[in-house]
Amino acid sequence: DAGVIQSPRHEVTEMGQEVTLRCKPISGHDYLFWYRQTMMRGLELLIYFNNNVPIDDSGMPEDRFSAKMPNASFSTLKIQPSEPRDSAVYFCASSRFAFRGGTFGSGTRLTVV
Amino acid sequence: AQKVTQAQTEISVVEKEDVTLDCVYETRDTTYYLFWYKQPPSGELVFLIRRNSFDEQNEISGRYSWNFQKSTSSFNFTITASQVVDSAVYFCAFNTDKLIFGTGTRLQVFP
Repeated sequence: DAGVIQSPRHEVTEMGQEVTLRCKPISGHDYLFWYRQTMMRGLELLIYFNNNVPIDDSGMPEDRFSAKMPNASFSTLKIQPSEPRDSAVYFCASSRFAFRGGTFGSGTRLTVV
Repeated sequence: AQKVTQAQTEISVVEKEDVTLDCVYETRDTTYYLFWYKQPPSGELVFLIRRNSFDEQNEISGRYSWNFQKSTSSFNFTITASQVVDSAVYFCAFNTDKLIFGTGTRLQVFP
């Protein structure tokens, strides 16, 4: 089992550019979660999917953020346009059941300059 | 409102000391899950334990033990004979329909 795979591990981009973060969940896991971690706000849930369908996106900060899950093995989190305050570590996690100790990816450290 | 509170921001101990990390939660739900995660300096989030609201048995796993008390809405985590490798940020989390994390406790274990 390869675990949850996120790419890239690090991303540095200029303000105004589009950023796409990618996640491959563990096979057979029906739930996928995107989290953001910052010093100021800690770990916060942005959005989660069940069977590829977005269930709760109330944590998505602004319309600049969007997430998709076109199939069971792939999800993206897109920020367009990016801003310096979006700098954070973004984690993807997946779980077989309604979140009961899901497995986290290694995270993507995003820096917007 | 559902909330998880980790009042200890940072704890420093010397190796071999025992240390307890506190976690208090608030909910009106009767069915829920509680978790502890470890985030070492490398940054990944490592799952340590899950407990459901109907199981108040304490659990021990090696040097780690957890004390779940519904009466005080607490789910505390104790590391016995701490080691330098235990240095990390530890998060308590609470879940009904989605996972809510506490703010974390940074544990530093000095040799």
